[in-house]
Amino acid sequence: DTAVSQTPKYLVTQMGNDKSIKCEQNLGHDTMYWYKQDSKKFLKIMFSYNNKELIINETVPNRFSPKSPDKAHLNLHINSLELGDSAVYFCASSSYLGTGQETQYFGPGTRLLVL
Amino acid sequence: GENVEQHPSTLSVQEGDSAVIKCTYSDSASNYFPWYKQELGKGSQLIIDIRSNVGEKKDQRIAVTLNKTAKHFSLHITETQPEDSAVYFCAATPFSSGSARQLTFGSGTQLTVLP
Repeated sequence: DTAVSQTPKYLVTQMGNDKSIKCEQNLGHDTMYWYKQDSKKFLKIMFSYNNKELIINETVPNRFSPKSPDKAHLNLHINSLELGDSAVYFCASSSYLGTGQETQYFGPGTRLLVL
Repeated sequence: GENVEQHPSTLSVQEGDSAVIKCTYSDSASNYFPWYKQELGKGSQLIIDIRSNVGEKKDQRIAVTLNKTAKHFSLHITETQPEDSAVYFCAATPFSSGSARQLTFGSGTQLTVLP
C-alpha cells in the first residue's frame, strides 16, 4: 500500500483556472507538508500542517490555500493559475518525535502544467 | 534562514566507480542532515541521514560524512550500479521546539551511472 499518495498524478490546465491537488497518508503521521519543485529540480517548502493546524507558511502567493480536513489529508487548492505555477508539487508527512530529526516521507508528486 | 548549496549539479561515473556529492550549509544550528534519492517520476526517498553528534555513518554502499566546523557534509556511493542513477538531494534542518521540521534542500545532483 502506498504510504503517501497524491492525486492527480498529472494535471494540465489553462491559465486562470482553479484546481486542487489531494494528498493522503496512511502512516499515522501528525505533520504534513507541501513542496514545490521547479524546472531546475529545486525543492522548496510551501506549507506545513501539524494536527490540522498551519505551522509553516513560506512566502507563497495567497492564490495557494492548503486545507487539512483531518490529520491524514492535506489538500492544496490553487486559484487563478498562472504559467509560473507549472511545477511538480510534492506532498510529504512525518511524525513528531520531539527530536528535531523526524524523517519525512514523500508522495510521488503531481506534475502541473499551466498553458 | 538556512541555505544549502549542493555540488555538482550533474555527475557521471562508470559502473563500479565511486560517486561523491557535497553540500554546505549556512545555519550552525542545523543538526540533522538527510539525503534523499528521487527517481524519475517518483517522490523522494530517504536513503541515509546523519545527526550532528556523529561524523560519519555508513549503510552498505552508502556513507555520509559531516564536518560541523566547516559546515559541510558529503554523500559517498561506492561500487555504483546503474540503478543508482537518480537525482540526489541533501537537506539540513535546525532543531526547533515546534512540531514541524523545515527541511531546506540543496539544488540536487543528477547522478548517471554508465554501464
